[in-house]
Amino acid sequence: TQLLEQSPQFLSIQEGENLTVYCNSSSVFSSLQWYRQEPGEGPVLLVTVVTGGEVKKLKRLTFQFGDARKDSSLHITAAQPGDTGLYLCAGERGTYKYIFGTGTRLKVLA
Amino acid sequence: EAGVAQSPRYKIIEKRQSVAFWCNPISGHATLYWYQQILGQGPKLLIQFQNNGVVDDSQLPKDRFSAERLKGVDSTLKIQPAKLEDSAVYLCASSLVQGGTEAFFGQGTRLTVV
Repeated sequence: TQLLEQSPQFLSIQEGENLTVYCNSSSVFSSLQWYRQEPGEGPVLLVTVVTGGEVKKLKRLTFQFGDARKDSSLHITAAQPGDTGLYLCAGERGTYKYIFGTGTRLKVLA
Repeated sequence: EAGVAQSPRYKIIEKRQSVAFWCNPISGHATLYWYQQILGQGPKLLIQFQNNGVVDDSQLPKDRFSAERLKGVDSTLKIQPAKLEDSAVYLCASSLVQGGTEAFFGQGTRLTVV
């Protein structure tokens, strides 16, 4: 059973466009992380959000944790080809275990 | 600072054969994770160690998968016998402590079972 569903599954956009990736669950998480994974590499942490309603910004990336701590979103402004990759959310449940989402594969065309 | 080291990078075996993967975490990291990532999906946690003790192995297929972390440092993951559906990337990650902290991932081992 996949607890964290991400949408869309695939996204191909032109350089300069904006996009939003969603991470949804019916379960509550004590914290949520977003990772980016490039081909042939392991995931790399982008951000951790802990408080319901929390918004964090990392340059052109904006992360939001839902008020009920069941969902999250990642918004990218003016996407660049370097943003291409697999974006993964990971929710922390109970005993320090992170459950990864289904992933969103983003391709930004120059 | 050296990252998480995994070997081998690639492995091709026939079904019913056995295979082992090795992971050396970042020095001083107490928590070590093994994940299975099937192509196009998010990683699935197989087993989590805290030092040399198992914290969670609820999703480890124990009839064919085993893992150990002797002396609380390096870890090995073994599959015996392998099935076609075991084809995946096996990722090792480590973190300083449990919970709410960054997990650092290795490059993974891509296993193909034919």
